[in-house]
Amino acid sequence: KQEVTQIPAALSVPEGENLVLNCSFTDSAIYNLQWFRQDPGKGLTSLLLIQSSQREQTSGRLNASLDKSSGRSTLYIAASQPGDSATYLCAVPDWGGSEKLVFGKGTKLTVNP
Amino acid sequence: NAGVTQTPKFRVLKTGQSMTLLCAQDMNHEYMYWYRQDPGMGLRLIHYSVGEGTTAKGEVPDGYNVSRLKKQNFLLGLESAAPSQTSVYFCASRGGVGSNQPQHFGDGTRLSIL
Repeated sequence: KQEVTQIPAALSVPEGENLVLNCSFTDSAIYNLQWFRQDPGKGLTSLLLIQSSQREQTSGRLNASLDKSSGRSTLYIAASQPGDSATYLCAVPDWGGSEKLVFGKGTKLTVNP
Repeated sequence: NAGVTQTPKFRVLKTGQSMTLLCAQDMNHEYMYWYRQDPGMGLRLIHYSVGEGTTAKGEVPDGYNVSRLKKQNFLLGLESAAPSQTSVYFCASRGGVGSNQPQHFGDGTRLSIL
């Protein structure tokens, strides 16, 4: 059964710092990996989707990498801002291209002004 | 563009009552999903649909039923609510062919069962 772990569970940084969030998964036979952001009281917003054939994806100050062989992904946030404060979740299919996504429990990020 | 809209946003029920949560999407997406989010458990898939008229079980389907009579709507029903079903429920949808398309989420329904 696919399991997703996110470390750390919480992270507090000063504004302007570059930071890395980690995600690991147990079954590497996946078609893609997604990173989401969740603000308090809100739903999830898709940030980046990396296909299995890709090693990384970039959107603005965000860069996500995928290493299937080691079962790991990282989300790099450059020049963090207070508006980046949120919970970040990664998700992978239960297997292959399954519709059943398995989510990590998230990393709660606080960026202090 | 409204995206994914969930109705209601909040609800309190008594044990044994029934109710239906409505999810509507205006993006012409084929795929729709119902999740629940609980502290310490994360997001878990309840049921999903790969197209109008189809439904399938997710990770935690017991106690819930779903229907997808129209492409834009996905209904989640609780026939006899139990306190264990107190949770935040999220609906999501995605389009495209194949699995490499992101899911779009609604803002959730906060449900309390007393």
